Amino acid sequence: GAVVSQHPSWVICKSGTSVKIECRSLDFQATTMFWYRQFPKQSLMLMATSNEGSKATYEQGVEKDKFLINHASLTLSTLTVTSAHPEDSSFYICSAGPSGGAVTGELFFGEGSRLTVL
Amino acid sequence: AQSVAQPEDQVNVAEGNPLTVKCTYSVSGNPYLFWYVQYPNRGLQFLLKYITGDNLVKGSYGFEAEFNKSQTSFHLKKPSALVSDSALYFCAVRARSGGSYIPTFGRGTSLIVHP
Repeated sequence: GAVVSQHPSWVICKSGTSVKIECRSLDFQATTMFWYRQFPKQSLMLMATSNEGSKATYEQGVEKDKFLINHASLTLSTLTVTSAHPEDSSFYICSAGPSGGAVTGELFFGEGSRLTVL
Repeated sequence: AQSVAQPEDQVNVAEGNPLTVKCTYSVSGNPYLFWYVQYPNRGLQFLLKYITGDNLVKGSYGFEAEFNKSQTSFHLKKPSALVSDSALYFCAVRARSGGSYIPTFGRGTSLIVHP
């Protein structure tokens, strides 16, 4: 299957600092990527849809200025957690599909990034 | 709007026994249904999908799922469970019309296979 790489896998930062998470599609082009947040033993919460060359579409309740998403190329989307606080500690997962976002296509997920804010 | 329900938080089964993880969906248009598996501290992996055609879909690791339009269900099954199947399983739905191409995930079901 297609490969989505996410980096870093683990990050620990101090409160007030910013953290950038990268999501790369390694063997396909992704015009659309999805960013999720997952709390322990809970489902995926869609944060935003990242669109190459345009602004991301954020879900209701997700702060745009807090979670900056940039999709500058067809293979890279980044999520920056700005001025991180302990409540931002979570597991963040990105996903993309090689079928250009076709509705019949399955998604491929990054390995996730565990963020711990001290 | 579209939705997915996974009614069981956890399913316990003995190794070698058949397993079923339940999923029901709600969408106005034709549903496209997916199952994913997540191992601890990992991203999700695609297992199988139903788009059209045969109601019984076969996927990775010996899993299969049956699409039932009248019951709006897409239960995941495996004839003989392995301890290594223990993981978190997610059902998801996408729709071309009457719904959203953005996948909607169920809350997940933790499958525990006992030796």
